[in-house]
Amino acid sequence: KNEVEQSPQNLTAQEGEFITINCSYSVGISALHWLQQHPGGGIVSLFMLSSGKKKHGRLIATINIQEKHSSLHITASHPRDSAVYICAASNTGNQFYFGTGTSLTVIP
Amino acid sequence: DSGVTQTPKHLITATGQRVTLRCSPRSGDLSVYWYQQSLDQGLQFLIQYYNGEERAKGNILERFSAQQFPDLHSELNLSSLELGDSALYFCASSVGLDRAGNEKLFFGSGTQLSVL
Repeated sequence: KNEVEQSPQNLTAQEGEFITINCSYSVGISALHWLQQHPGGGIVSLFMLSSGKKKHGRLIATINIQEKHSSLHITASHPRDSAVYICAASNTGNQFYFGTGTSLTVIP
Repeated sequence: DSGVTQTPKHLITATGQRVTLRCSPRSGDLSVYWYQQSLDQGLQFLIQYYNGEERAKGNILERFSAQQFPDLHSELNLSSLELGDSALYFCASSVGLDRAGNEKLFFGSGTQLSVL
C-alpha cells in the first residue's frame, strides 16, 4: 500500500467546471505539498500545507489532519490547467512520499 | 523559469557506466533536493542537502551518491548504471523554512537519463 493515495487517476473536465482532486496519506506528516507537472515535464510547487486552507488565484488547497486527507480545488477551470497534479507528504525528517498523480485534461 | 539550473538536459549512456548530474540552486537557496521520476515508480525522493550537509535521505541506492559544494551547487553521481536507472532526475531548491514553517520548492527542468 502506498503511503500517499490520490484520486482520481485521470480527470477530464469542461472549461469552467469546478475540479476536486483528493489525496489521502497514511504516514505522520509535517506538511502536505501539491505539485503541478506540465506536459513538458516541468514541476511547479503549488502549495505547502500543515493545516487549514490556502488559496492562490483559482486554486484552493485544504487539509484535514485528523482524517489524513487533503484536497486541491480548481475553480473556473481552463485548458491551461491541464497537467498532472501530484500530492506529496513530508515528515519531520524531511522524507517525501509522493502520490502517483492525477492527470487533468480541461477541454475548451 | 524557476531559477534552478540542471545540466545536462539529456544524457544517454550504457549499462555499467557512471554519470554526474549537476544542479545549481536559485541564488540564496541553501537547500537542495534530488528526486527520481520513472514510469513505473513515479516520483521518489532521493536525498536532501542543506548548506553543504546531508539533511535527509530517501530511497537512494548505494550506487548513487550526492554532495553539495561550498558554492551550494549539488551533484548527483550515479554509478554501475542499470537499465532501470533510466528516469528523469529533478532537483529542487529552497531557502528553507520561513517563519510560518512553510518551505516553497523551486524545481529544475530535470535531466532525462537513458541507460541503454
